[in-house]
Order: sequence, then C-alpha cells, then structure tokens
Amino acid sequence: GAGVSQTPSNKVTEKGKYVELRCDPISGHTALYWYRQSLGQGPEFLIYFQGTGAADDSGLPNDRFFAVRPEGSVSTLKIQRTERGDSAVYLCASSGSNTGELFFGEGSRLTVL
Amino acid sequence: GENVEQHPSTLSVQEGDSAVIKCTYSDSASNYFPWYKQELGKRPQLIIDIRSNVGEKKDQRIAVTLNKTAKHFSLHITETQPEDSAVYFCAARRQGNEKLTFGTGTRLTIIP
Repeated sequence: GAGVSQTPSNKVTEKGKYVELRCDPISGHTALYWYRQSLGQGPEFLIYFQGTGAADDSGLPNDRFFAVRPEGSVSTLKIQRTERGDSAVYLCASSGSNTGELFFGEGSRLTVL
Repeated sequence: GENVEQHPSTLSVQEGDSAVIKCTYSDSASNYFPWYKQELGKRPQLIIDIRSNVGEKKDQRIAVTLNKTAKHFSLHITETQPEDSAVYFCAARRQGNEKLTFGTGTRLTIIP
C-alpha cells in the first residue's frame, strides 16, 4: 500500500474487555514495530517483528499484551482485560531499507472507560 | 537501557528566527539519531537523521549536530515558518538493536 494503515482509528472499550488493533505495513517492509504514545509523551517501544517472528518484545508492559504477525505482513496487537491505564495512541511503523527510517501509521486511539 | 532526554518541552519562536532543540542520550553504543516531526493528530514523520560517523548534517533549513563525546545531539531550524509548528521528537538507537528510544518531545510554536 501507499503507507502504513492502522485500524480502527478509534476504539472505545470498557475496563476488562479484550481489544485487537490491526496494522498493515508498507508492502515489502520486513520490519514492523508497535509503539504506544500517551498524551504529551514520546512514542514508547512495545515490540519489533522481523518477518514473522518477534525479534524484541521487551517493551510489552505485561502479559496482557500480545502481538502476532503470522504471515510476515499484517500484524495484530492484542490487549486482554483492558485497564484505564492502557488508554493511549498505539502506533505501528514499518521499515524496509538499510536507512533505518520508520514509517508510521496514523495510530489507533484506544480509550478504556 | 537507553534513556533519551529532550529539552525544552515547549519553545516559541518568532517567524524567521532560529529554533534549537537539544537531546542527550545515555548509551554510548548508540549510533543512529533521527528526528521526527509530529503535527497535531498526525503520524510522526522523519525529517532528518544522523549517524555517529559524522558530526553534522544539513538539509535546507534543517540541520542536526552530534557530539559523541558529550552524548548529545541537537536540531537546528533556521528561518522558521508557521508550518514548522509541531511537536518534534529526537530518538536514539543502539548499534545492532532495532529499537528506537524517543525523547519526550518539544512543542514548537512559530509566532507570525
């Protein structure tokens, strides 16, 4: 595609519910990243995929967070038993060159009531 | 892990004047330092980056300087224009690691 696409753009859920956030990277990009951005803060690293495998998941805050990329393209970030503190914009980025530039999506704004 | 500090958190500059944003990093093994611009409600976009084998890089009105000894790098915007108003994030990445660590951002406002 022309850019990184994320859906939904906005998600409002209740505390305790399960949510899935989807990222469709730029075609051909092998590296995919998930970041979380809280209001007034910089993006905070969550997880990085190279192909299908999670090469670095050190940023996932706890075991309620999980991400997959089964075919090495689309990725899904899954959050179980959501808490109000999970409210943030979840950014996905992809990279496909040796320059290291990350191309970000517009983000999914998650609000947990 | 890497820690990136950025200041100031807000900066107001008269149109046409220069703006400087500074960042420090903690990991001496970091070798890649990008700057991202994020307009309100939009995605972060790369505006310039520098690697540790050079001390300065310039692209039109934007320049970045790197001091490896002091572990700090700066973004310089000259002849500022209203469209430069945005939040700017610095970041650092350790060699051999794909994780970018971002600073907390600087909200730049250009006063017409």
